Amino acid sequence: NAGVTQTPKFQVLKTGQSMTLQCAQDMNHEYMSWYRQDPGMGLRLIHYSVGAGITDQGEVPNGYNVSRSTTEDFPLRLLSAAPSQTSVYFCASSSFGRGPKNIQYFGAGTRLSVL
Amino acid sequence: SQQGEEDPQALSIQEGENATMNCSYKTSINNLQWYRQNSGRGLVHLILIRSNEREKHSGRLRVTLDTSKKSSSLLITASRAADTASYFCATDERGAQKLVFGQGTRLTINP
Repeated sequence: NAGVTQTPKFQVLKTGQSMTLQCAQDMNHEYMSWYRQDPGMGLRLIHYSVGAGITDQGEVPNGYNVSRSTTEDFPLRLLSAAPSQTSVYFCASSSFGRGPKNIQYFGAGTRLSVL
Repeated sequence: SQQGEEDPQALSIQEGENATMNCSYKTSINNLQWYRQNSGRGLVHLILIRSNEREKHSGRLRVTLDTSKKSSSLLITASRAADTASYFCATDERGAQKLVFGQGTRLTINP
């Protein structure tokens, strides 16, 4: 199994540009989430989804949009990139509600720099 | 705001010694989890302890949970160089549909 796949691995943007970070999982997990990781800040939840068609905001949602049209995919969109969005972004999925609750499987991350 | 706070922020020990990391949280939880992150990689789940459990073991890992003090500890025995990583606790809050992560402990094992 590929698990959770994130693309791209690295990205450099200019302020004001838009882009989409891709996340796909092949484990048929209902729950997917996006985090950002900054030095000394741990992981902060941006958005999450408990199933196709359902999304909700996390701790730091401003500047980011998400959608969940399929179980497998959960893209994160930056509409107008700002230097404050320079970070490492992680996507995670879990079999929410089945088995051990909320054990999350993480992708390898996307390192984003906004100049 | 983040639920878990970890202590210490950084820990450096000699290979073979035991490493203990602590996590405190604020609200009622369903379970508490520990994750490891190697440099430049994603997080990997280590162990989950439910709110009605007090201690759990997995190989060289021992986790305790004290819900009255809202705290947990992760003990790694007989540390190895390969244990060098950051370790995060994460809480599954009751009534919430998300995990909340602490800021992590950076563990360095010196050969």
